[in-house]
Formats: sequence, C-alpha cells, structure tokens
Amino acid sequence: EDQVTQSPEALRLQEGESSSLNCSYTVSGLRGLFWYRQDPGKGPEFLFTLYSAGEEKEKERLKATLTKKESFLHITAPKPEDSATYLCAVQARGADGLTFGKGTHLIIQP
Amino acid sequence: EPEVTQTPSHQVTQMGQEVILRCVPISNHLYFYWYRQILGQKVEFLVSFYNNEISEKSEIFDDQFSVERPDGSNFTLKIRSTKLEDSAMYFCASNTGQEIYGTFGSGTRLTVV
Repeated sequence: EDQVTQSPEALRLQEGESSSLNCSYTVSGLRGLFWYRQDPGKGPEFLFTLYSAGEEKEKERLKATLTKKESFLHITAPKPEDSATYLCAVQARGADGLTFGKGTHLIIQP
Repeated sequence: EPEVTQTPSHQVTQMGQEVILRCVPISNHLYFYWYRQILGQKVEFLVSFYNNEISEKSEIFDDQFSVERPDGSNFTLKIRSTKLEDSAMYFCASNTGQEIYGTFGSGTRLTVV
C-alpha cells in the first residue's frame, strides 16, 4: 500500500526565516511526486511534479527536491502570503489516483 | 487561467437522501477525478474517469457512488443514500493526460444531517 508521511504537522516561522518541509513516501514504483498548496476552504493548488531521484524544481521562494525515499520543500525567506497547508502526494505507475499525506500547516508571522 | 468549477459550494442533506455533486472540468481535459477530504484528514482518491468510463476506483467508491459525464462539459458524482460519514469536502480534478498532475476545483462541502 502506498503511503505518504509529512512532517512537521505544523510549522510557525517568522517572515524571512527559511525552512524545509519533509515528505517521506513508499510507493510501488513511482510515477510522480507532487506538491500542492491548499488554502482554507479551497482545493489543492498545483506547485510541482518530480519524477526521479535527484530532480529539483523551483518556483519563486519554493524549491522541491526528491530522493528515493523522501522529498523536501524548501522555503526561502518566506512571506506571510506563503501561509497555507502544503500537501505532498505520490502516484504509482499504472495508477490514476494520487495518495496524499496529511500536509504541513505553515504559518508565516510578519 | 482555466478553472475547474464545482457547484454547489455547500450542500446540506438529510441522511438517506441522494445527492449529486457537479463539476465542469477544464474544456480540453480528458481525464476526470473525484477526491474527498473529511475534516482534518487526508485528501483521498475516489475515482478516475476517462473516455466515458471509470478508469480506476478506490475502496471508498462502493455501490453507493456513481459518476457520469452527461454531456460534453459536466462531470457528476452521485451518492445514492447519504450517510453521516459521507460528510466531507468533495473535490473534482481534471487533466489533459499529457501532464499527470490534476487541476483541482474549489470543492463542494457536503454536510449530512
């Protein structure tokens, strides 16, 4: 059974204080690992897809990396508008559906 | 930017009643999905739909659930006889098939009383 575990469950940072969110996964053949952002009462908003170990992707203050067992979402000099829940999900080869983690609730204080 | 549109945003129903949740996927997308998120829990996959048939379904998607694409634009999820435990946020998603991530709608909050 595919599993995704995210840590920490919640993280409170000061504006400008960089940090990393962790996503550990087990999957029967990885097709893709996804990071989404979810604001309260909204649907997940796509950020990145990573396909293979060693791959990295960046978007503004966010950078996602992937190893064979985990992925990190690095947040550099965050701003209050980066406050959200960040979700990690995996898709196994041959599967349509995504398996999500519970997310990391990130709060950036001004 | 194209969006996945879901209606209604909030629906309250009596236990045992049938509900239909509606979604309008992005127009050139070919793959359609339903997910649910019970309050405080993970987003869970329910079903995928391609070429007018179910492509994959999870253990959650039992005989009480059905999906349909009644015309060229709508994609619906029907729950035949709602239970209290069906209360959740239901998300529709779609993609072209060329990219594998899904674009999600804003969801329908279903409350069963």
